Amino acid sequence: AQKITQTQPGMFVQEKEAVTLDCTYDTSDPSYGLFWYKQPSSGEMIFLIYQGSYDQQNATEGRYSLNFQKARKSANLVISASQLGDSAMYFCAMREGLRNTDKLIFGTGTRLQVFP
Amino acid sequence: GAVVSQHPSRVICKSGTSVKIECRSLDFQATTMFWYRQFPKQSLMLMATSNEGSKATYEQGVEKDKFLINHASLTLSTLTVTSAHPEDSSFYICSAITPGSSYEQYFGPGTRLTVT
Repeated sequence: AQKITQTQPGMFVQEKEAVTLDCTYDTSDPSYGLFWYKQPSSGEMIFLIYQGSYDQQNATEGRYSLNFQKARKSANLVISASQLGDSAMYFCAMREGLRNTDKLIFGTGTRLQVFP
Repeated sequence: GAVVSQHPSRVICKSGTSVKIECRSLDFQATTMFWYRQFPKQSLMLMATSNEGSKATYEQGVEKDKFLINHASLTLSTLTVTSAHPEDSSFYICSAITPGSSYEQYFGPGTRLTVT
């Protein structure tokens, strides 16, 4: 079974609109972390946001927020007020365990394209 | 802070030769570094975890004799692709963690390897 599932290979959004990128995960470990990364065409992985399994509130970082629904095992990324520079690949990732030495498992990614 | 560099950014080599990729943490000491491989339009796949001063831990299916990893110091890890084949052509990305970080991995900019 896939540990991380991103069902949207591609998404389009108009500039200044909000967009939600879906991510579901599968784990039996009660301690885990969920991450979102942005990968522009240049290739570098840019950390966006993190949610721990015991965090009570949804994580937010500027225009990024993570809609964490633990019972549904989903961790959707919401980007508000989209900008042209947001066009990139977006990867959801999970770490089973809470140590930063535990490995990350990545989803297949969603390509977001923002149009004027 | 927390900058990771990789060298070279791009490399082309002939089949049968070896190529070395360096991953450096520029402003922190990285006790653990990770090496990932990303094929075109695919996700990142963890190849191995390297800890300073000890042997790397390879993921299932990754040939340790082909992908030699050396983490000789707290700021440098190297990945050597030995007897390269065209199917080794890929994007190789490293990441590093510092003991002071609770969860984040800091990624390098990646190295694009083309084997002709």
